[in-house]
Amino acid sequence: DTGVSQNPRHKITKRGQNVTFRCDPISEHNRLYWYRQTLGQGPEFLTYFQNEAQLEKSRLLSDRFSAERPKGSFSTLEIQRTEQGDSAMYLCASSLRAEGTEAFFGQGTRLTVV
Amino acid sequence: DAKTTQPTSMDCAEGRAANLPCNHSTISGNEYVYWYRQIHSQGPQYIIHGLKNNETNEMASLIITEDRKSSTLILPHATLRDTAVYYCIVRGASYGGATNKLIFGTGTLLAVQP
Repeated sequence: DTGVSQNPRHKITKRGQNVTFRCDPISEHNRLYWYRQTLGQGPEFLTYFQNEAQLEKSRLLSDRFSAERPKGSFSTLEIQRTEQGDSAMYLCASSLRAEGTEAFFGQGTRLTVV
Repeated sequence: DAKTTQPTSMDCAEGRAANLPCNHSTISGNEYVYWYRQIHSQGPQYIIHGLKNNETNEMASLIITEDRKSSTLILPHATLRDTAVYYCIVRGASYGGATNKLIFGTGTLLAVQP
């Protein structure tokens, strides 16, 4: 296990379609984060899991977005009825639940809605 | 909102030290200073973090002022591969279910010149 893995790396979809992204965190990392990044901006926080519990959701996470982490390991982020404004890089990060530890990011999934 | 202020961009000559400043005047006593960088089209990469003392690892050094209101990331011998956006982030401690999320600003674009 060499790091956080995200799939797919790229996704092109038509407006109105549903898409699902997967994140495999570093094993034994019980914290998992999703971020979104648009061109020229820093990553924006979307949601956070501690084990299988989703403990925080950003206001950016509209009702078309849903995230799960069913067994406290991998996580999925689904976007329903995609819009052009959803085009962005979606990043996943994981960390240990310990004082002052670093979070490690995956390479992201770049979504293009046409 | 991000709790840090960084210059928008900086240049550095290859082989010279790159010193990236960050202001975090509202930092609390239990908050850490983290540095990440992001090379174009990749996920953010962890560099270093610290609480009060200066820190050094194989990538960089972190100098935190005594009042903790500012810090400097030092890349001792910058190479062309260090060209990236560098993010300075203030992050709370990991107590209980606290999200402890990273809040990114727009960072500093460091351009290493040959």
